[in-house]
Amino acid sequence: QSALTQPASVSGSPGQSITISCTGTSSDVGSYNLVSWYQQHPGKAPKLMIYEVTKRPSGVSNRFSGSKSGNTASLTISGLQAEDEADYFCCSYAGSFTLVFGGGTKLTVL
Amino acid sequence: QLQLQESGPGLVKPSETLSLTCTVSGGSISSSSYYWGWIRQPPGKGLEWIGYIYYSGNTYNNPSLKSRVTIYVDTSKNQFSLKLSSVTAADTAVYYCARLGRSGYYTDAFDIWGQGTMVTVSS
Repeated sequence: QSALTQPASVSGSPGQSITISCTGTSSDVGSYNLVSWYQQHPGKAPKLMIYEVTKRPSGVSNRFSGSKSGNTASLTISGLQAEDEADYFCCSYAGSFTLVFGGGTKLTVL
Repeated sequence: QLQLQESGPGLVKPSETLSLTCTVSGGSISSSSYYWGWIRQPPGKGLEWIGYIYYSGNTYNNPSLKSRVTIYVDTSKNQFSLKLSSVTAADTAVYYCARLGRSGYYTDAFDIWGQGTMVTVSS
């Protein structure tokens, strides 16, 4: 069971949009609409931002959106703000009661 | 408002067993809608799921950790616990407990997390 593949880092200027990819296989991301995304600020616990590929929990800004195509899921953040600077992790159900996380992406707001 | 809080020793000796407990407050652990899980994060690294449990006691562990992991639940105390045996320095990490949604027979997302507790394996 290999980790989902995410870019190590992405960056963008305030107001811009960025997209973070999360590539898995036909056994995990490609098979289930059960991809979630987490935001983690330094020294803090992760926070759920997106679940079931596209859904936002109550209280999460609509600047955050999710999508999936084939074996790759994506998180898009529009109207970048300084507070969005954090690490982002994807996670997918992988069958047989297992889960798999991505390696994480560091977002820098320039 | 549901909250989770990890507790346990912050220092464990190599080859010994790491033991942590997660106390759930503001809601019942005996909910049919959720699992209860453990996730860890080595310093400077990514997240790794350890395992999760249903209130009935059914457990599901990360195959990479093989038989070192035991997770159990105490519904009377609204707690669930983790034991990780034969620890090495590679098990040094922040350990989180979290609520994990159910989607039919599958898992959904970790929607509520504890603050995490740092566990160091060292003699």
